[in-house]
Amino acid sequence: EIVMTQSPATLSVSPGERATLSCRASQSVSNNLAWYQQKPGQGPRLLIYGASTRATGIPARFSGSGSGTEFTLTISSLQSEDFAVYYCQQYNNWPPLTFGGGTKVEIK
Amino acid sequence: EVQLVESGGALVQPGGSLRLSCAASGYSFSNYNMNWVRQAPGKGLEWISFVSSSSSTVYYADSVKGRFTVSRDNAKNSLYLQMDSLRDDDTAVYYCARAVTPDFWGQGTLVTVSS
Repeated sequence: EIVMTQSPATLSVSPGERATLSCRASQSVSNNLAWYQQKPGQGPRLLIYGASTRATGIPARFSGSGSGTEFTLTISSLQSEDFAVYYCQQYNNWPPLTFGGGTKVEIK
Repeated sequence: EVQLVESGGALVQPGGSLRLSCAASGYSFSNYNMNWVRQAPGKGLEWISFVSSSSSTVYYADSVKGRFTVSRDNAKNSLYLQMDSLRDDDTAVYYCARAVTPDFWGQGTLVTVSS
């Protein structure tokens, strides 16, 4: 099973600042990596797939990069609606599909 | 508009059974693989089951294998999860999600296993 590790667990950022979230895989997942955003009481929302492709309707301030075992989600200028929990997920070697533990982006 | 609506969550005693449903609309359900993913209170996401579009392939997480059964009825645009021998650690919000890289998720249904 591929283990996904996200850091940091919590990220405190001021509105308008850049946020950088990391995700590491225990073995290579190529570029088969997705990012999700989840707000309280809601199901997750797909942001990025293929490590760097934005899903339909996702603003350009969200970008993904990386391949192999190291991945990054960058939010270029945080808006109020971006404060949420973010998860990475690998779909290169499954079952099982595996998710990281999440990074909570909170208001500084 | 794509919609996934889960139902069937409830309070159930350990050892009990429950059947969850997911009603899909706004797209051609029979063309898409589906997954169940759960989230324990205050915890992260855990994938638990996959069923292919034609039901020919199913997968389960080790944590539920032998206890949970996934199925679908393409004529009714519905996905199901039969959960037997429920344990305390099955307590979670259960989501249905479309595709291997889920691009649409439901709002979830809460299953509480407690005596």
